[in-house]
Amino acid sequence: DGGITQSPKYLFRKEGQNVTLSCEQNLNHDAMYWYRQDPGQGLRLIYYSQIVNDFQKGDIAEGYSVSREKKESFPLTVTSAQKNPTAFYLCASSPGHLGNTIYFGEGSWLTVV
Amino acid sequence: SQELEQSPQSLIVQEGKNLTINCTSSKTLYGLYWYKQKYGEGLIFLMMLQKGGEEKSHEKITAKLDEKKQQSSLHITASQPSHAGIYLCGAFGGSQGNLIFGKGTKLSVKP
Repeated sequence: DGGITQSPKYLFRKEGQNVTLSCEQNLNHDAMYWYRQDPGQGLRLIYYSQIVNDFQKGDIAEGYSVSREKKESFPLTVTSAQKNPTAFYLCASSPGHLGNTIYFGEGSWLTVV
Repeated sequence: SQELEQSPQSLIVQEGKNLTINCTSSKTLYGLYWYKQKYGEGLIFLMMLQKGGEEKSHEKITAKLDEKKQQSSLHITASQPSHAGIYLCGAFGGSQGNLIFGKGTKLSVKP
C-alpha cells in the first residue's frame, strides 16, 4: 500500500545525544515536511523540501537538521542543540503544488530522559 | 509570514448538537485543508477547499471557504462521540511551498 512510514514510533534519548527520525514515502511525492506538535500548540513547521537535494527552514528549525538525498526519504535529526526536544513529530508529503491532498505519517514520539 | 488562527481553542458540546469551528488567515488563502487528529496520532484528511465560496461536505461535516478567501468554517451537524478530536486547518504560505497549520480546536462530545 502507498503511504508514509515514520519510524520509530517511540524513542528515548539521553540529553546531549543526537537522534534521527526516519520518514519514507512511496507516493512519488516531490514535497516533504516535518512538524513538531506540543499540547495546545498545533503543528509547527520544522523543515520542508520541495525537491531532492533542496530544503528550507520552517518556523522552528533551530536544533534540527534534515537531508533529502532521495525523493522518498526525508530524515530529521534532532541535535543536542535542541533545548526542549520532547514532543510528537509528524512527517508529511504532497505532490508539491496547490490543489493536492497532503498525507501524514503516524508520527514519532521522542522523549528526552 | 502567514498565520492561521482557529477559534474556539476548545469546545464541549452535547451529543446531537451542531457546532462550528473557524479558521482565519492573515493573508489570502490558496487552498485550505481541514484535518482531524487524535493527539499523538497521525492526521486524517477531511477536505480541501480552493475557490472562494466553495463548500464541501462529507457525511455530517461541511466546510466553506469565504468569498474573500481569508476564512474557512467547519460545521458539524448532529455531533456524535466519534467526532471528538482535534481539528486542524492548514494552508500553503503563498508561493513559498511551506505548509502551515493553525493551533487546532479540541472538540469533546458528551454522550
